[in-house]
Formats: sequence, structure tokens, C-alpha cells
Amino acid sequence: DSGVTQTPKHLITATGQRVTLRCSPRSGDLSVYWYQQSLDQGLQFLIQYYNGEERAKGNILERFSAQQFPDLHSELNLSSLELGDSALYFCASSANRGEGSYNEQFFGPGTRLTVL
Amino acid sequence: AQKVTQAQTEISVVEKEDVTLDCVYETRDTTYYLFWYKQPPSGELVFLIRRNSFDEQNEISGRYSWNFQKSTSSFNFTITASQVVDSAVYFCALSEAQVGGANSKLTFGKGITLSVRP
Repeated sequence: DSGVTQTPKHLITATGQRVTLRCSPRSGDLSVYWYQQSLDQGLQFLIQYYNGEERAKGNILERFSAQQFPDLHSELNLSSLELGDSALYFCASSANRGEGSYNEQFFGPGTRLTVL
Repeated sequence: AQKVTQAQTEISVVEKEDVTLDCVYETRDTTYYLFWYKQPPSGELVFLIRRNSFDEQNEISGRYSWNFQKSTSSFNFTITASQVVDSAVYFCALSEAQVGGANSKLTFGKGITLSVRP
């Protein structure tokens, strides 16, 4: 158990709908990352938040958005869903030990999204 | 831009065989970090190892060993005496040096599906 929790575990929805995926980082971790794993694109970085602020963006579609709340949990919102959005969405968190050190990213169990 | 190439897509071995998973990376940074993650059939991503760009010492952990060579930009992973439980998808990943106190993203390779037959 990595200490990162994600809900829900599975989500089945229809095209055009909107869903929200939730992530709770490990206690004390300031950074949250979202990754998408699909058959076409593999594992790719979507977005990173650090202590409530957006830190980096990857290949995240405009239909997708995320935020990190004051309690450090994060939500990934996916709207106008398409069949191609079906994927496993991972959240990861890492601690902050300051400059000059690297902090492992620990991954949650993922949310499997199926768009029908 | 960072890039990780795992040229092998699927490998099948018989139990007790040794197997090496290849990883080649590209980065312009002089400080970076390399990783291996395991994804068993259950789907979670399990961290295996991190290597810093300034530490080329090879590492051994039980049946697992890693060979990092900056000269060839490779970070290969060897499983000795493979077991059925080693069957999984293995990902190599790269991260740049952290910026302003927060880690940078992970760039993953496409993954190698390892099947170990009894």
C-alpha cells in the first residue's frame, strides 16, 4: 500500500458526460501528479500540483482540468468525454525534502475509466 | 525533451531463466533520475529503483540488478532466476532535476511485458 488513495476504483460512463476523479496523497506530501495510461499513448503525464498551485502541464486536453485543495487532496475533472478517454488514471504524490534531494513518486491504485 | 525507449515489447522466459530488460534514455540535463516501475496484472505501479545521473554504480537487490551506463544512455534491469511472480509490465522512467523544491514529472517508456512460464 503506497498510502495514496484514489476514488472511485472503476467508473463507467457515456460519451459526452463529465466525471471527477479524486486523489488523496500520502500524509504530508505536497506534490500531486496525474498520469493517464491508455493503450494508444502508454503512460503519460497530465498535470502536477505543488502545495495548491499548478506546477507543470503535460499532454492534458482542454476538456480536462484539475485542482489541488487546501487539504492537499486533488481532483481531476474530465468533461465532454469521448471513447478515447477510456484509460487508467493514476495519481501520484511525493514529499518535499527541499532543494538537492529527490523524492520518490508513490502511485495510487488508479481509477479505471470506461467511456461507452 | 526527455525520451525513454524500451525497444523490447514482450519477453517470454521459462522460470529460473535470467532476463534483461533494456532501457535507453535521452535528456539534455546533466542532472536527472532514472527509475524502474513494475505493474503486475492487478494494475498498480510499484516503485523498484531510482538512480541519480551522477551515480553510475550498479545496484543489486536480491534477484534484481540494474546496470546504469551514461556512455550509452542505458539503464538496464536484470532479473536473475526469474519466477512466475515476476510476470508483469515493467516501465523505465526518467525525471529531470527538481525545480524549486518540487519534483519534475516522470517520462515513461512504453513498457515491457514479461511473461515467466512455469
